[in-house]
Amino acid sequence: EVQLVESGGGLVQPGGSLRLSCAASGFTFSTQEMTWVRQAPGKGLEWISYISSAGSSMYYADSVKGRFTISRDNAKNSLYLQMNNLRVEDTAVYYCASSTRIGWLLYEAGMDVWGQGTTVTVSS
Amino acid sequence: QSALTQPASVSGSPGQSITISCTGTSSDVGSYNYVSWYQHHPGKAPKLMIYDVSNRPSGVSNRFSGSKSGNTASLTISGLQAEDEADYYCSSYTNSNTLEFGGGTKLTVL
Repeated sequence: EVQLVESGGGLVQPGGSLRLSCAASGFTFSTQEMTWVRQAPGKGLEWISYISSAGSSMYYADSVKGRFTISRDNAKNSLYLQMNNLRVEDTAVYYCASSTRIGWLLYEAGMDVWGQGTTVTVSS
Repeated sequence: QSALTQPASVSGSPGQSITISCTGTSSDVGSYNYVSWYQHHPGKAPKLMIYDVSNRPSGVSNRFSGSKSGNTASLTISGLQAEDEADYYCSSYTNSNTLEFGGGTKLTVL
């Protein structure tokens, strides 16, 4: 079964840090580009970061640039999001997502596999 | 980065058809066919309904179709069913190597 499972969410104070993880199974993780998407309470989906299959290219939304770092470990079939200097407005459910289509660009193929999400709450 | 523009809500009766628009710019929707649509039921993971403007993933009903004209993409759902009630989001690749989502449209089946 194709699956993504996020972990690492929790309650953190403003200015604090958290590291989210996303464990992949059921597909060839090392060949697939990956993204993080979040949804703040009562708001829509927001793309926040992308990483290429080899981990050599990363892109970020302006809202998190300089504070968040995406990375991956293909040997462990895992994706990460290091979140530093967290703000109240970073409170959201965080999803990792990818495509299972081999040989397709992620944004061309669309994200057909998503995790269930992990909740991050930034509050004092 | 600005979100793509979608209507906040649309509604229709069972059996009817509805269309949700997604307006971007020449930097995103207008320049790439990398437009996708997602169905999102609260508390669940989003589900890919359309990719590459008009392609349906395996297992998605042919009642769902997508199109694009200029800077505006559209999702049409025909033969509305109660289970179609959900939030729908468009997304587009941009010329800044980022992805933009629309603000989301709440579909109500009357």
